[in-house]
Amino acid sequence: DTEVTQTPKHLVMGMTNKKSLKCEQHMGHRAMYWYKQKAKKPPELMFVYSYEKLSINESVPSRFSPECPNSSLLNLHLHALQPEDSALYLCASSPPDGANQPQHFGDGTRLSIL
Amino acid sequence: DAKTTQPNSMESNEEEPVHLPCNHSTISGTDYIHWYRQLPSQGPEYVIHGLTSNVNNRMASLAIAEDRKSSTLILHRATLRDAAVYYCILKNSGGSNYKLTFGKGTLLTVNP
Repeated sequence: DTEVTQTPKHLVMGMTNKKSLKCEQHMGHRAMYWYKQKAKKPPELMFVYSYEKLSINESVPSRFSPECPNSSLLNLHLHALQPEDSALYLCASSPPDGANQPQHFGDGTRLSIL
Repeated sequence: DAKTTQPNSMESNEEEPVHLPCNHSTISGTDYIHWYRQLPSQGPEYVIHGLTSNVNNRMASLAIAEDRKSSTLILHRATLRDAAVYYCILKNSGGSNYKLTFGKGTLLTVNP
C-alpha cells in the first residue's frame, strides 16, 4: 500500500466526456505532482503544485486542467481527450525542499480513451 | 537537466548481490543522485539518494564515485520482488528542484 491514494484505479472514457482524477496524501507534503506514463516508457512530468499554487506546467494541452483545492488533495480534470492520451497517470507528493527529498508516488490511474 | 546513462537491462540470480551502474558525466556540484524503481503495475518507489558520500538504507546501498561522474546502486541480496525498472535520476537543488526527469532506466530480471 502506498501513502498516496489515487482514484479511480481504472477509467474508460469517450472523447467527449468530462472526468476527473483524484489524488490524496496525508503526509503533510506541500508539493504535489502529476506525471503521465505511456506503456513501456518512463514517467513524464506534467504539473507541479507547491503550497497549493501551480509552479510548473510542462506545456501540457489545456484539455488537462489541474486543481489543488487544499494541501492534501490534487485533481486532474479531463475534457475532450484524444486516444493518444491513453496512459497511466501518476500522482506524487514530497516536502517542498525538492532536491534532497524523495517523491512518494501513488499507483496511478490507468486511463483509456475510446 | 544533466543526463544519466544506464544499461537497458541486467539479469541476476536470487540471493546474489546486484550492482546497477549509472553514468552521469555532466553532473553539477549541486545535483543529488536519486534512485527509484518501478515494479510491474505500480507507481515508482523511492530507493535511495545521495550527494557525495556513500549511503545505506534498509533497501539498498549507493556508492558514489569520488569524481561523482558515476554511481552504483547495490542490492545486497536480490529477491524475486526486486525485479523492476530502476531509474537513476539527477535532481538539482536550484530553481527546478522539484523536477524528476526519468530516463529509460534499467530493467532488472531476477532468476530463481
